[in-house]
Amino acid sequence: DAGVIQSPRHEVTEMGQEVTLRCKPISGHNSLFWYRQTMMRGLELLIYFNNNVPIDDSGMPEDRFSAKMPNASFSTLKIQPSEPRDSAVYFCASSSPGAAFFGQGTRLTVV
Amino acid sequence: AQSVTQPDIHITVSEGASLELRCNYSYGATPYLFWYVQSPGQGLQLLLKYFSGDTLVQGIKGFEAEFKRSQSSFNLRKPSVHWSDAAEYFCAVGPNRDDKIIFGKGTRLHILP
Repeated sequence: DAGVIQSPRHEVTEMGQEVTLRCKPISGHNSLFWYRQTMMRGLELLIYFNNNVPIDDSGMPEDRFSAKMPNASFSTLKIQPSEPRDSAVYFCASSSPGAAFFGQGTRLTVV
Repeated sequence: AQSVTQPDIHITVSEGASLELRCNYSYGATPYLFWYVQSPGQGLQLLLKYFSGDTLVQGIKGFEAEFKRSQSSFNLRKPSVHWSDAAEYFCAVGPNRDDKIIFGKGTRLHILP
């Protein structure tokens, strides 16, 4: 298996634009997580899905953020409109009973 | 609420020296505990995990960790570090094996030649 695949690896966008981050989890994994990592706040859980259903989205910072998982092999995290304070590395992880496996992350810069 | 504390933001050790990274957790029941490592520009890689049984767990790259319930700790150790071990290390806790995982703030390990 290729592991968790995220795209794009880097994204630079202007404030106010819509940004969509994509994730392909490891096949067979039941849970999918979106994390955000910044120097100031560390690694924050934004939302997680179990069997494609959102279980806990309490970490989503505000309504500008939304996440979907239309099927077991794909998830998106969307920011609309984006703001400079959204600049961070966004990680997707998937897990089966045992542990979470992380993608390489998407480095988002909002200018 | 469950939480993880890594009291050391930075740790510097000499190559070949022993290492211990501290982790304390807060959780009402027996938690599931993890250590991850993150190299610059990379995602997090699982080093080891504890679910139950033997409280001393072995992981990859020569690392081990010991679960001490009385101290609510899960410290990571390595007898002799290598320059390639320089990275950031995250302790994490979960209420069960496939539920959300909460991470500590991380400890950045620096290795002196």
